[in-house]
Amino acid sequence: IQLTQSPSSLSASVGDRVTITCRASQDISSHLAWYQQKPGKAPKLLIYAASTLRSGVPSRFSGSGSGTDFTLTISSLQPEDFATYFCQQLQSFPLTFGGGTKVQIK
Amino acid sequence: EVQLWESGGALVQPGESLRLSCAASGLTFSNYPMNWVRQVPGKGLEWVSTIGTRGDTYYTDSVKGRLTISRDDSKSTLYLQMNSLSAEDTAIYYCAKSGYCTTKCDGFDIWGQGTMVTVSS
Repeated sequence: IQLTQSPSSLSASVGDRVTITCRASQDISSHLAWYQQKPGKAPKLLIYAASTLRSGVPSRFSGSGSGTDFTLTISSLQPEDFATYFCQQLQSFPLTFGGGTKVQIK
Repeated sequence: EVQLWESGGALVQPGESLRLSCAASGLTFSNYPMNWVRQVPGKGLEWVSTIGTRGDTYYTDSVKGRLTISRDDSKSTLYLQMNSLSAEDTAIYYCAKSGYCTTKCDGFDIWGQGTMVTVSS
C-alpha cells in the first residue's frame, strides 16, 4: 500500500493553521498513524487510528479521514511544531510510511 | 518510564554481517509486537520488520532472506541479524514498540534513539 503525502514541504508562520494530507493507494479503513520528527531525533507518535490523539499531545493537533484520504491539522502552529511529519499505514504488511512533509518557518 | 536502547551499529564492508540489539525497560516486553524502522539521514522512514508476541515475523521485500528479526523476552531484548549487507542498507536503525493491538496495532508509540549502520568499502 503506497502512501502519498502532500505537500512535501510548506512554509508557515506561528499561529497559522496547517493541513497535511496523506492518500493511500487502497482502503486502509482507519489504520493510519501520524508522527512528528525533529532533526537528529526519533519520530514521535502524535495520532493513531486516524483521529485518536495520543495522550500528552497538544490538542492543536488533530487527525481525520478514513478509507484512502487522511488529514493532519495543526490548528495554530507553535514554534516547537516546526518539524517533519510522516503518516504510516498499519492496515497490512508490508507496513508503509508516507514520504514526509517538512514544516518550515516562513 | 518505557525506554528502548539500540546498540550494535557500526561501519562494515559490503557482504559482511552485523547484529543490532534493542534493550527495553519499563514494560512487560513479551506483551508487545516490536519493530525495526530505518532511515537514511535526511530522508524518509522505511519500515523494515515486525515480530509479533508469538514470534511471527514480517519483512519488507528488500531485506527478506538477509535480515532476521528475533526477540528474547527473558532479556526484554529485540534483535536484528543483518547478513550480506550492501550500501543500500546504510541507515539509522530504530527499534520501536507497537502500541495497543487488536487485529491491527495503533502505531509505534515508543522509539529508541537509533543506531547508525554504514556499509562501505
